[in-house]
Amino acid sequence: GNSVTQMEGPVTLSEEAFLTINCTYTATGYPSLFWYVQYPGEGLQLLLKATKADDKGSNKGFEATYRKETTSFHLEKGSVQVSDSAVYFCALSDISNSGYALNFGKGTSLLVTP
Amino acid sequence: SQTIHQWPATLVQPVGSPLSLECTVEGTSNPNLYWYRQAAGRGLQLLFYSVGIGQISSEVPQNLSASRPQDRQFILSSKKLLLSDSGFYLCAWSEDREQETQYFGPGTRLLVL
Repeated sequence: GNSVTQMEGPVTLSEEAFLTINCTYTATGYPSLFWYVQYPGEGLQLLLKATKADDKGSNKGFEATYRKETTSFHLEKGSVQVSDSAVYFCALSDISNSGYALNFGKGTSLLVTP
Repeated sequence: SQTIHQWPATLVQPVGSPLSLECTVEGTSNPNLYWYRQAAGRGLQLLFYSVGIGQISSEVPQNLSASRPQDRQFILSSKKLLLSDSGFYLCAWSEDREQETQYFGPGTRLLVL
């Protein structure tokens, strides 16, 4: 079945450093890809998405490009802030007997220090 | 705009007790609704999915059940909680016409002792 693999954390960066969180996927067909962010004690927020190959999703300075040739959707940000500290989840859409569902990676914890 | 509510925010229950978690969505009609569980140190697992009132699909066999008595209300229940039911329960919704993008509620943290 479809699945997502994320780099394991935690990732610790200094403020204004460059961020990359790797995500690769295995899928039949062409699923949509997503990044969600979870701040401490909260639910998940949709950060960005891409629905087809070569699409670039972007939001709040984060971006990720749907790369079919490498089956990847790496999350990047040029200059992180302390407020970006959170857990980041890569996900892909999947069709089950029930309809659409999201397959999530295990999450990558990011800590940004001043 | 659409909003999604979950309650309670936190719950501590003894083993063997019943459970009822509620999720409601505002600002949309006929949403698809989902229950996920996030166990400590693990990713998210889809538990239930609903495309309409009274229509529930279960993704994994378990001690839990779900119901959708109204269009924008989704309830997660158990008759007898197990220790393994502890976790963070997230409700999500999606538009019927754009099912792939899901929006999550604030979650309920359940601790079974």
